[in-house]
Amino acid sequence: GNSVTQMEGPVTLSEEAFLTINCTYTATGYPSLFWYVQYPGEGLQLLLKATKADDKGSNKGFEATYRKETTSFHLEKGSVQVSDSAVYFCALSYAGNNRKLIWGLGTSLAVNP
Amino acid sequence: EAQVTQNPRYLITVTGKKLTVTCSQNMNHEYMSWYRQDPGLGLRQIYYSMNVEVTDKGDVPEGYKVSRKEKRNFPLILESPSPNQTSLYFCASRATGAGNTIYFGEGSWLTVV
Repeated sequence: GNSVTQMEGPVTLSEEAFLTINCTYTATGYPSLFWYVQYPGEGLQLLLKATKADDKGSNKGFEATYRKETTSFHLEKGSVQVSDSAVYFCALSYAGNNRKLIWGLGTSLAVNP
Repeated sequence: EAQVTQNPRYLITVTGKKLTVTCSQNMNHEYMSWYRQDPGLGLRQIYYSMNVEVTDKGDVPEGYKVSRKEKRNFPLILESPSPNQTSLYFCASRATGAGNTIYFGEGSWLTVV
């Protein structure tokens, strides 16, 4: 079946460090891929997305590239800030199965000053 | 401003006392859904609706009901809440199409004692 696996947290970094959060997926066909972010006490917000292979999504300094050959959508940021502390969720969506999102379990990121 | 609004945001209730969590969106989206978020389990879909009067079960529908009488509203009903329904609940909506952004409400913290 379709699934999303992302690296377990928590991830703790110092400010200005490089961030990678790994996400791999299993899906039939050609899903769309998403990263959502949940800041403390808030709901989920779309961070970035990619709808086809080799697309790169980017937002707020974060990037992720849709790699079909490795079935991956890793999230990266070159220099994290304290304000990036949040939980990050990788997800996929495809036309079948009510088009619902299939979620990873989330990766908690803490950035220290 | 695009919004998904859910109420209440915080609720403590007792076992067996019926409650309703309301959800409203202002984007004229066809698709709406409810999720619950639990530690270590990520987000799990409870129910979804493809349009007015069209609803279906998600992954964890037991103990919940929904209705979709109007396009903008999608209430979640707990007829007889139990402690295992203590969770953080999210309502979400999006336009049809697998690549479209899903918008989340801010979440409702529900505690059943």
